[in-house]
Amino acid sequence: SQTIHQWPATLVQPVGSPLSLECTVEGTSNPNLYWYRQAAGRGLQLLFYSVGIGQISSEVPQNLSASRPQDRQFILSSKKLLLSDSGFYLCAWRTPAGYTFGSGTRLTVV
Amino acid sequence: EDQVTQSPEALRLQEGESSSLNCSYTVSGLRGLFWYRQDPGKGPEFLFTLYSAGEEKEKERLKATLTKKESFLHITAPKPEDSATYLCAALFQGAQKLVFGQGTRLTINP
Repeated sequence: SQTIHQWPATLVQPVGSPLSLECTVEGTSNPNLYWYRQAAGRGLQLLFYSVGIGQISSEVPQNLSASRPQDRQFILSSKKLLLSDSGFYLCAWRTPAGYTFGSGTRLTVV
Repeated sequence: EDQVTQSPEALRLQEGESSSLNCSYTVSGLRGLFWYRQDPGKGPEFLFTLYSAGEEKEKERLKATLTKKESFLHITAPKPEDSATYLCAALFQGAQKLVFGQGTRLTINP
């Protein structure tokens, strides 16, 4: 079956610390993968997308970066977190029927 | 710029009171209009995809419709378990990303 996994579910990190969020998909090959961020009470904002290994497109300038080291793995990173990086981060992959989302990571930068 | 706007921002209904949520979009070639349900602290759950004006899809108490400039999510005789945030998103011609509206927070009181 096709599934998407995202972890951790929650994370509290101090300002200036690094970040690594991981997303993996199963049951498919060469998926289009996406990282979205959702601020409290707001819609989803696309951060990065990838159509293949090593291919990353950035939608907005920011303190974050993304990498795709393997076909079904998508990683969101930061070298030094800012308070403004707090939010709900969602990974998604594109299926023939639509987009399927992971369960999300709630990041709080303190 | 491609945009998606949802209204109202929040809606409170009594159990059994039918209503509709609106999603309007600026047109630059629509490839698909998506509806999602999102519960607090969770990732969006796929509901429907609509591709062309006049198309309708139903699932239990929900029915989604599409015109050339907007989509409606009709909820008939809602129950408290239908309480959630409903997100609308559009995929435009030549784009790799979904553009999301801000969402409608629906509360059904027993």
